[in-house]
Amino acid sequence: SYELTQPPSVSVSPGQTASIPCSGDKLGDKFAFWYQQKPGHSPVLVISQDVKRPSGIPERFSGSNSGNTATLTITGTQAMDEAVYYCQAWDTNAIVFGGGTTLTVL
Amino acid sequence: QVQLQESGPRLVKPSETLSLTCTVSGVSISPYSWSWIRQSPGEGLEWIGYIDNSGSTNFNPSLHSRVSISIDTSKSQFSLRLSSVTAADTAVYYCARVKYCNSSGCPGHYYYMDVWGKGTTVTVSS
Repeated sequence: SYELTQPPSVSVSPGQTASIPCSGDKLGDKFAFWYQQKPGHSPVLVISQDVKRPSGIPERFSGSNSGNTATLTITGTQAMDEAVYYCQAWDTNAIVFGGGTTLTVL
Repeated sequence: QVQLQESGPRLVKPSETLSLTCTVSGVSISPYSWSWIRQSPGEGLEWIGYIDNSGSTNFNPSLHSRVSISIDTSKSQFSLRLSSVTAADTAVYYCARVKYCNSSGCPGHYYYMDVWGKGTTVTVSS
């Protein structure tokens, strides 16, 4: 079965750029999606189809996907961006999630 | 706006069947596909399965033998049944709307969840 791998944690200073990678075999040939989940809340879609920001998502969130790695980038990270981020793709009739990355803003 | 609300028993006994319902409001249920996802305590997200707008279903292979999803368009609801539960099925269960593109005209096939319910915690315990 298809697997997506994320680092367990990423740290960033306020105002700096955070990059969260998600790796999978030929992931660049698929579309990657990103969800933000804050404690006690349901996930929120922040990036669709590799690079698209849904309505209401701040411009500081962006995405890319090439080769075996998709990346979520948060430019000018704010304290409110502290959350767990999950990547997701679709492969052979299955929706697959990465294990999640905890973003700490300190 | 689109809202989803999960409902069902919060406590299920081992070996019994977990049953949950998701009520959809703010949009017609018929044109869309709908999914269930769960999250065990302290863990990540696990896709359970989806039902598409033709009534066809697709399930996570790891749960396939125990899962069913059905839809009642007259009530704007879709439901999950998970049989023979164990403590490992204790989780927060989310329902969500699925957006997808899987025809020959698509730039690439994809499925994703654009709207989620708040989730409901189900505990499996005697």
